[in-house]
Amino acid sequence: AQTVTQSQPEMSVQEAETVTLSCTYDTSENNYYLFWYKQPPSRQMILVIRQEAYKQQNATENRFSVNFQKAAKSFSLKISDSQLGDTAMYFCAFILSGAGSYQLTFGKGTKLSVIP
Amino acid sequence: GAGVSQSPSNKVTEKGKDVELRCDPISGHTALYWYRQSLGQGLEFLIYFQGNSAPDKSGLPSDRFSAERTGGSVSTLTIQRTQQEDSAVYLCASSFPGPSSYNEQFFGPGTRLTVL
Repeated sequence: AQTVTQSQPEMSVQEAETVTLSCTYDTSENNYYLFWYKQPPSRQMILVIRQEAYKQQNATENRFSVNFQKAAKSFSLKISDSQLGDTAMYFCAFILSGAGSYQLTFGKGTKLSVIP
Repeated sequence: GAGVSQSPSNKVTEKGKDVELRCDPISGHTALYWYRQSLGQGLEFLIYFQGNSAPDKSGLPSDRFSAERTGGSVSTLTIQRTQQEDSAVYLCASSFPGPSSYNEQFFGPGTRLTVL
């Protein structure tokens, strides 16, 4: 079974600064996807960024980037130039690759507060 | 286009009552998922529907929980004889068909269930 661990229940960052959220996972499989989801107070889960395990290059989406260390099973999210709208819960998630794989496994989340 | 919608947004019920939670997926999405988000926890997979195939009910926590999907579209999650530990946010997601791990799961805003 796969597990996802987020060791930072809460974090805060000053507006315009950079913050890194940590995520580790455990799997014996080699092919999978990793995700970061954002859940603002509206409760709507929004996909922030996705990483395919077979790709060595770290994914980036505008101000969001990841540091994917496959051997260490680590998948951290870096948010640059933090904005007030980034305040939310952030969940790291994992899914195995391949047909028939559909269960996302989530961490417990990190509550991020951006301070003006 | 419209996203995933869920109703009601909030539901307060008394212990022992039955509740029904509704999910309308995005048009054209044949895959539908239910997750439960308990306070301070990540999302927990409950059930998965894909087209006309038999659903994967492996995540349902007890036989008080059931779900159906009529006409391959709208889904209803039913909780019978509700208990206080059922209090949580119930999230629905949908995605395009095909190898599900490749396809982004789009989430609804959830139903917050409170059992008194």
